[in-house]
Amino acid sequence: KNEVEQSPQNLTAQEGEFITINCSYSVGISALHWLQQHPGGGIVSLFMLSSGKKKHGRLIATINIQEKHSSLHITASHPRDSAVYICAVSNTGNQFYFGTGTSLTVIP
Amino acid sequence: DAGVTQSPTHLIKTRGQHVTLRCSPISGHKSVSWYQQVLGQGPQFIFQYYEKEERGRGNFPDRFSARQFPNYSSELNVNALLLGDSALYLCASSLRGLDYEQYFGPGTRLTVT
Repeated sequence: KNEVEQSPQNLTAQEGEFITINCSYSVGISALHWLQQHPGGGIVSLFMLSSGKKKHGRLIATINIQEKHSSLHITASHPRDSAVYICAVSNTGNQFYFGTGTSLTVIP
Repeated sequence: DAGVTQSPTHLIKTRGQHVTLRCSPISGHKSVSWYQQVLGQGPQFIFQYYEKEERGRGNFPDRFSARQFPNYSSELNVNALLLGDSALYLCASSLRGLDYEQYFGPGTRLTVT
């Protein structure tokens, strides 16, 4: 069983749609990270959070520590949002666990 | 400001050989971590170093080793290469460790033949 589970695995949306990607984890965590990976490999950190909610532009990340669940929301999606979105957690044992990723395609 | 840099960009090695990959963190960052990403899969955590000491290790065999230098740059070494070691090796730096925002380098693509 993976320490971090993401859903959905694949997601296709029309431009302008509201998108939600979910992440559940089974270990105690110090922080939860949302990452974006474009084809070719480069990974960019979108959010790091340990409680509550953060917002950057059209992206919103929330975390519920009690339920061990986080969501990444994209408002007014755009084709340039097409990428793989990865949830990862760091825990008190100095480990870093990755989810399997959600491949998002936004169609114009 | 320069981001995280990795060298080389691409590398081809033969089974049984040894490889050294290098990573330079963002200026002011004292933590470096290494990840392996096999094609089509998500990354996996290999090591994390902070202040030149190993602070975290993933589930990788002893053929994998790393070190961090006084200038906070880092090397990842892999001995006795196997075909299964073919992957993208990513380095990330942060201010202090895994509980800080991670800044990833472009990666080194290793092919073992």
